[in-house]
Amino acid sequence: AQSVTQLGSHVSVSEGALVLLRCNYSSSVPPYLFWYVQYPNQGLQLLLKYTSAATLVKGINGFEAEFKKSETSFHLTKPSAHMSDAAEYFCAVSDHSNYQLIWGAGTKLIIKP
Amino acid sequence: GAVVSQHPSWVICKSGTSVKIECRSLDFQATTMFWYRQFPKQSLMLMATSNEGSKATYEQGVEKDKFLINHASLTLSTLTVTSAHPEDSSFYICSARDGFAPSSYEQYFGPGTRLTVT
Repeated sequence: AQSVTQLGSHVSVSEGALVLLRCNYSSSVPPYLFWYVQYPNQGLQLLLKYTSAATLVKGINGFEAEFKKSETSFHLTKPSAHMSDAAEYFCAVSDHSNYQLIWGAGTKLIIKP
Repeated sequence: GAVVSQHPSWVICKSGTSVKIECRSLDFQATTMFWYRQFPKQSLMLMATSNEGSKATYEQGVEKDKFLINHASLTLSTLTVTSAHPEDSSFYICSARDGFAPSSYEQYFGPGTRLTVT
């Protein structure tokens, strides 16, 4: 069965510092991987996705993620954090058999001024 | 493209009444729709999957008779919470996928509906 683990329910960084949000997955088939962002009381917005093309994926708002098969990881990074990046971030893997998304528990990103 | 809307965005209802939430795909054919429930500070919990024209498939532990899902067209799915109680208060999110598209694995999310039962 597929699963997703997000390390750290809360991550706090200073404005301007590097953002690193960790995501590890398990999948018996080549995965489709996603990162979503959720602002308070809002729906989910797709940041980026990996679909077996380039392993380094660039997304919106300056975020990127690198697919590392050997580490079964898909960590999300941003070189310089902005206050507007404060939100909840979810990593998900797609189940190829029924297209359901398997979700991580989420990581709340806190930006310190 | 690939826009999903939900209506209403928030609703308050009295205990014992029923509430209907609509999920619409505005610019694509939603062959499959998913309904999620999200508790505060938690991840999304899949409630059910529905394919257009078919009965919804509910996840274990989700009451079919309480959460009625209809997906009668390629652009509309509805979730009706019947005889709502305060414990049904939650954030409900729908998503849709276009089974005809090359990126058919991708789900497009609605903005969510905040339900409060008093």
